Amino acid sequence: DAGVIQSPRHEVTEMGQEVTLRCKPISGHDYLFWYRQTMMRGLELLIYFNNNVPIDDSGMPEDRFSAKMPNASFSTLKIQPSEPRDSAVYFCASSTGQNTGELFFGEGSRLTVL
Amino acid sequence: GENVEQHPSTLSVQEGDSAVIKCTYSDSASNYFPWYKQELGKGPQLIIDIRSNVGEKKDQRIAVTLNKTAKHFSLHITETQPEDSAVYFCAASEGGNNDMRFGAGTRLTVKP
Repeated sequence: DAGVIQSPRHEVTEMGQEVTLRCKPISGHDYLFWYRQTMMRGLELLIYFNNNVPIDDSGMPEDRFSAKMPNASFSTLKIQPSEPRDSAVYFCASSTGQNTGELFFGEGSRLTVL
Repeated sequence: GENVEQHPSTLSVQEGDSAVIKCTYSDSASNYFPWYKQELGKGPQLIIDIRSNVGEKKDQRIAVTLNKTAKHFSLHITETQPEDSAVYFCAASEGGNNDMRFGAGTRLTVKP
């Protein structure tokens, strides 16, 4: 398996622009997680899905953030409008079940908002 | 909610020496404690985990110990090699990935 695939790997945009990050989980994994990693706050869970349904989005920082999972093999995290403080590395991870423990992370999308 | 503290934030050792990273957690209901390794430009990868019914677990050069009473757990790497250089994260949860809380990370440098 190719693992969790994220795109783009790097994105530089200007404040106010819309940003869309994409994720393809490992086939057969029922859970998908979006994390944000910054120096100040470390790894933070933003939202997670189970069988394509959003279960908990309490980690989403503001209404400017939204996430969708239209099918089992694709998810997006959108920021509109983007702000400089959104600059971070965004990770997607998938797992086979809530209680199995292991999270399989993608390589991340590094976002820079100027 | 759970709070995980990790020390030290940076650690430099000579190749062949041992490295120890320590974490404490606050929620006594936590029962799953994984350790992730993050190499430069990559996502974190699970290297070892332990559940609360076990006090120690080993996998070749790495081991994890858990003290439930004191609510702390540690990662031990023996015979360190330059390829062990990475950022290591501890985490704690009650068993579900949705409530996993990560430590701030330890940047380990192994000098050849």
